[in-house]
Amino acid sequence: QQPVQSPQAVILREGEDAVINCSSSKALYSVHWYRQKHGEAPVFLMILLKGGEQKGHEKISASFNEKKQQSSLYLTASQLSYSGTYFCGTERGTGGLTYSGAGSYQLTFGKGTKLSVIP
Amino acid sequence: EAQVTQNPRYLITVTGKKLTVTCSQNMNHEYMSWYRQDPGLGLRQIYYSMNVEVTDKGDVPEGYKVSRKEKRNFPLILESPSPNQTSLYFCASSPQTGWKTQYFGPGTRLLVL
Repeated sequence: QQPVQSPQAVILREGEDAVINCSSSKALYSVHWYRQKHGEAPVFLMILLKGGEQKGHEKISASFNEKKQQSSLYLTASQLSYSGTYFCGTERGTGGLTYSGAGSYQLTFGKGTKLSVIP
Repeated sequence: EAQVTQNPRYLITVTGKKLTVTCSQNMNHEYMSWYRQDPGLGLRQIYYSMNVEVTDKGDVPEGYKVSRKEKRNFPLILESPSPNQTSLYFCASSPQTGWKTQYFGPGTRLLVL
């Protein structure tokens, strides 16, 4: 089952902040974030494991609440280059409803959030 | 240059005519995966492979086959393509340890008539 991303689309002016949310109904081992520009392949942004907060890029960070099975991507002081579609990918753990120490390596992506940054 | 390559990049075929999309990586990655991308549906995993001779189904494996005989190659086979397999296909690879990142190929746009 695909994770649910919100919002589906957002328009920002340069310098504004945005939050993209990713929610799953399944227990998660890890959450991955990617950005895809029109006509290009997805590009890895960051991965979060077991509730860790990780800064993968300059002004882009993310959090992962494994109890709520949710992750959020934070974009601060947005730039024109941030425009694109953002996808979260969720990996369930092995061992049924709760994850064990190992990931399943099966990645399920959300439908994406289209972010447009305008001057 | 470290990269994932896919061939062909564009393909038009007819229903039922077997085809293979090749994927190759030069980074010595253990993990490789195939995704399809359709408007409004995002990326959906078809198959993945954790190493040579080890493959497993993703979320949408029906109508596809894969093989992993060499570490660098992970071809996607459509034995009898149908119009609902018209899509944009991406291959990706990553080092297995720690899930560091996935590197995506440029994509293959397939149209099945």
